[in-house]
Amino acid sequence: AQKVTQAQTEISVVEKEDVTLDCVYETRDTTYYLFWYKQPPSGELVFLIRRNSFDEQNEISGRYSWNFQKSTSSFNFTITASQVVDSAVYFCALTGSQGNLIFGKGTKLSVKP
Amino acid sequence: EAQVTQNPRYLITVTGKKLTVTCSQNMNHEYMSWYRQDPGLGLRQIYYSMNVEVTDKGDVPEGYKVSRKEKRNFPLILESPSPNQTSLYFCASGRTGLVNTEAFFGQGTRLTVV
Repeated sequence: AQKVTQAQTEISVVEKEDVTLDCVYETRDTTYYLFWYKQPPSGELVFLIRRNSFDEQNEISGRYSWNFQKSTSSFNFTITASQVVDSAVYFCALTGSQGNLIFGKGTKLSVKP
Repeated sequence: EAQVTQNPRYLITVTGKKLTVTCSQNMNHEYMSWYRQDPGLGLRQIYYSMNVEVTDKGDVPEGYKVSRKEKRNFPLILESPSPNQTSLYFCASGRTGLVNTEAFFGQGTRLTVV
């Protein structure tokens, strides 16, 4: 069965700290996609990244970076020099067999000034 | 503007009173889906539709109905809402699934059943 585990329920950091959000997944598919979404306090879901299972290159986008390691079935997300605006719930997701997304339970990140 | 529109955004209702949450997309997507989000549980799929007149159950379909009579609309129907259906609901659409980066989520509907 496909599954996404985000073991960190809540993380609290002080502004300018770096923070890593963990994501571990389980799937028997050889081709799959992994995603990260951000849910700010306003409630909408904001797409951050999609990663193909054949592409293990790390990706950096400004202060955000993602580390995909197939060997450990992990797709971790790091925010460098965190800011108050990064406060949100972050979801990791995996493609399911029905064209759907299987979400982790989310990590609530609080960045304090 | 490409978007998925859900209505209403907020709704408080009483147990047993039938309600419909509408979802409409303007991108000609074949795939549409409903999720519910609950604290500590993440998002779970309720129903999905691969195309017009084709719908199927997701992980938590009990107490819900859907229909897909036209490509753009995918309403979620609660025939007899109960307090355990209090949740944040998201409609989503994608070209042929939610895998594509073109997948869109609606703004969410916060439902409270008292």
